[in-house]
Amino acid sequence: QQKVQQSPESLTVSEGAMASLNCTFSDRSSDNFRWYRQHSGKGLEVLVSIFSDGEKEEGSFTAHLNRASLHVFLHIREPQPSDSALYLCAVRNYNQGKLIFGQGTKLSIKP
Amino acid sequence: EAAVTQSPRNKVTVTGGNVTLSCRQTNSHNYMYWYRQDTGHGLRLIHYSYGAGNLQIGDVPDGYKATRTTQEDFFLLLELASPSQTSLYFCASSDAWGALEQYFGPGTRLTVL
Repeated sequence: QQKVQQSPESLTVSEGAMASLNCTFSDRSSDNFRWYRQHSGKGLEVLVSIFSDGEKEEGSFTAHLNRASLHVFLHIREPQPSDSALYLCAVRNYNQGKLIFGQGTKLSIKP
Repeated sequence: EAAVTQSPRNKVTVTGGNVTLSCRQTNSHNYMYWYRQDTGHGLRLIHYSYGAGNLQIGDVPDGYKATRTTQEDFFLLLELASPSQTSLYFCASSDAWGALEQYFGPGTRLTVL
């Protein structure tokens, strides 16, 4: 069974400073990796989806996949207080088809 | 834009109570899913369905039943609710199994006292 772990559990950065979140997965046959944002009490908003090793940028969000090391990172450039939220990593195993979610990183942006 | 709605948005019940959570999608998707979200666990799949009358077991099905009455409507049933089922429940839909685009509803917060 695929395991998806996120670190750190919580992170506080100052407004405008780069925020970096980490997600590790266990199954190298995973074929898609995505990051979601969830504001308190709200639903899930997909930020970026990546298939191949390397980087994928969507606005101020960049996903970086390194399949060999079983890591996918999310970098948030110049975050604002409105980016304070829970960030979830989800990994799809092509054969199983379903999404497996990490437990989330709670990001706080200090003004 | 796919639309997934859930009701109620908040629900409080007592241990042993009977609860039904409702989900409706209006995008003619074949697949619908029920997840629960708990601190420290992310989202975990309870049940899913690929069409009216169909039900498949997810990863954490114990204590839950589900029923897909139409292509649009998927219900999650807790017949003897327990405090361990206090959680945030999300419904989602997609056009195919394994589809990258799963459209999530706004969530239902359930508290079992």
